[in-house]
Amino acid sequence: KAGVTQTPRYLIKTRGQQVTLSCSPISGHRSVSWYQQTPGQGLQFLFEYFSETQRNKGNFPGRFSGRQFSNSRSEMNVSTLELGDSALYLCASSVDGDTEAFFGQGTRLTVV
Amino acid sequence: DQQVKQNSPSLSVQEGRISILNCDYTNSMFDYFLWYKKYPAEGPTFLISISSIKDKNEDGRFTVFLNKSAKHLSLHIVPSQPGDSAVYFCAATPGGRGTYKYIFGTGTRLKVLA
Repeated sequence: KAGVTQTPRYLIKTRGQQVTLSCSPISGHRSVSWYQQTPGQGLQFLFEYFSETQRNKGNFPGRFSGRQFSNSRSEMNVSTLELGDSALYLCASSVDGDTEAFFGQGTRLTVV
Repeated sequence: DQQVKQNSPSLSVQEGRISILNCDYTNSMFDYFLWYKKYPAEGPTFLISISSIKDKNEDGRFTVFLNKSAKHLSLHIVPSQPGDSAVYFCAATPGGRGTYKYIFGTGTRLKVLA
């Protein structure tokens, strides 16, 4: 069974640009959650989607948004990028209520 | 406000000995706790979890202990192996096993010396 797939693996963007990251969950998983990992703050919860609806949201500004499609694939978007948005963005998927979350390898975003 | 704290950034243990990783939390609404392991350039991998209705859960070499009154949990690895060298994160969530809003600690880097 394929794991959680995140694309791209690495990304370099300029301040002020926007970026879209993609996550394909494990087949059959309907919950997708997103996390930001930085050296100073550790892993911080961004949001969780289930059946195309945002179910939970973390404490991030409105520049961070996401969505989920009918096939459970998810995207997150960051607009007006800041240097502090440089981080590893991790996606995790789960069979709702039945398992723990399984993480992808992440997308390393560098903002210059 | 760090609701989940791992106060030891690093830990070194001799191969074959016990590794004990600690985690404290402040939010009494947390009722499900997890440990993840992370190698460089990989995503976190689930290790073991525990519900707040239990005080211990075992899975092979890994045991998690939960002390609700102290708001403390610990992960014991016995015996430790060099392949266990990684960063370990504890996480907590309210709402039980099916709630995927995990609050993570900042991690403890474990080094198992051969």
